[in-house]
Amino acid sequence: QVQLKESGPGLVKPSQTLSLTCTVSGGSISSGSNYWNWIRQPAGKGLEWIGRIHTTGSTNYNPSLKSRVTISVDMSKNQFSLKLSSVTAADTAVYYCARFRLSLPSFDSWGQGTLVTVSS
Amino acid sequence: DIVMTQSPDSLAVSLGERATINCKSSQNVLYNSNNKHYLAWFQQKAGQPPKLLIYWASTRESGVPDRFSGSASGTDFTLTISSLQAEDVAVYYCQQYHTTPWTFGQGTKVEI
Repeated sequence: QVQLKESGPGLVKPSQTLSLTCTVSGGSISSGSNYWNWIRQPAGKGLEWIGRIHTTGSTNYNPSLKSRVTISVDMSKNQFSLKLSSVTAADTAVYYCARFRLSLPSFDSWGQGTLVTVSS
Repeated sequence: DIVMTQSPDSLAVSLGERATINCKSSQNVLYNSNNKHYLAWFQQKAGQPPKLLIYWASTRESGVPDRFSGSASGTDFTLTISSLQAEDVAVYYCQQYHTTPWTFGQGTKVEI
């Protein structure tokens, strides 16, 4: 069973760049049968899909964040990463990484989530 | 973007009773090539990540109890918990994966 775990700073200053990494274990990230995703959830609110990456390097981002988001993959480390630039308090949220399997399409595996607070 | 609208926002159900959650998509999420609705349901308990319950609108994920079922009619979708158990207290979300940006409903809180 694949497992995902988010890591990165829990506090980011306004206007700076939020950087998170998702480490995948129990399976290879290089399998072409999945998308690797970032999703966030402000406290007490719903879920927002940020974007995804395929191991071909192909990315798709939510247009609402596209100008500020970069998702990349490091297959040698079995990791993928999120960078969100020019953050404001509105970017404070729990950030999840998740696998979207293409065979039976759905988000079938999620990390536990990591809280990122944007504050000076 | 495809907007997913759930109803109700919350509901209280007695133990052993049926819970019904509705979700409506603003656009068709039926994939014509395989005649499947690209719609999933998730359960999120407090302090935990979402857990996949249903995909393709009505296919139960492996290991999910059979009291959970999903159905579809056009752009209207329903998640039914046939006999509510205490461990089913959670927020439930629908999500479409037909078109990016993938979008979620606002969530429905189920209480006892």
